[in-house]
Amino acid sequence: DGGITQSPKYLFRKEGQNVTLSCEQNLNHDAMYWYRQDPGQGLRLIYYSQIVNDFQKGDIAEGYSVSREKKESFPLTVTSAQKNPTAFYLCASSGTGADTQYFGPGTRLTVL
Amino acid sequence: AQKVTQAQTEISVVEKEDVTLDCVYETRDTTYYLFWYKQPPSGELVFLIRRNSFDEQNEISGRYSWNFQKSTSSFNFTITASQVVDSAVYFCALSERGNYQLIWGAGTKLIIKP
Repeated sequence: DGGITQSPKYLFRKEGQNVTLSCEQNLNHDAMYWYRQDPGQGLRLIYYSQIVNDFQKGDIAEGYSVSREKKESFPLTVTSAQKNPTAFYLCASSGTGADTQYFGPGTRLTVL
Repeated sequence: AQKVTQAQTEISVVEKEDVTLDCVYETRDTTYYLFWYKQPPSGELVFLIRRNSFDEQNEISGRYSWNFQKSTSSFNFTITASQVVDSAVYFCALSERGNYQLIWGAGTKLIIKP
């Protein structure tokens, strides 16, 4: 079955530690995205990548970093510079910008 | 400037009632795409529909229907005979001319009471 997987589902980290969230897709999509969602709020774009080895900042990129070495994978690192990292993180992919974005199940990150 | 407004923050209805979720958008482009997503309590966003600006036909899928009106810049979503499983947050979104960045509405929380 084609889809997007994110791991882990729940993640706990101590303050000051970097943490990497995984996102893998087998839909053969060129574009991938990372969103952040805070409780009761909408989605905010962190980073997106149109093709391998290329990515662009979204609206709230500060404190985050990404890489796109493979078409299937788009990991997100939440660095210690992110002041309030506790949130729900959603990964998505699409064929192009005009195409539908399909989402993974999300990762809930809690920084203690 | 592009914008998506979902003015209804929360709607609560009794099961089997019909309910309409409003979505009003702003864009200067003539080519754009509109989307609806459902976010159940589990958190994953589920794609419901994609519409391009040149197709104003209304869409019906089972109990779900969408009314796209360019004259009022609206893309409203109606659930007929609502069920408890329809309880979720629903998001409307806009993509201008294939822009990779979607413009998201704030979402409408729909509560269906048994």
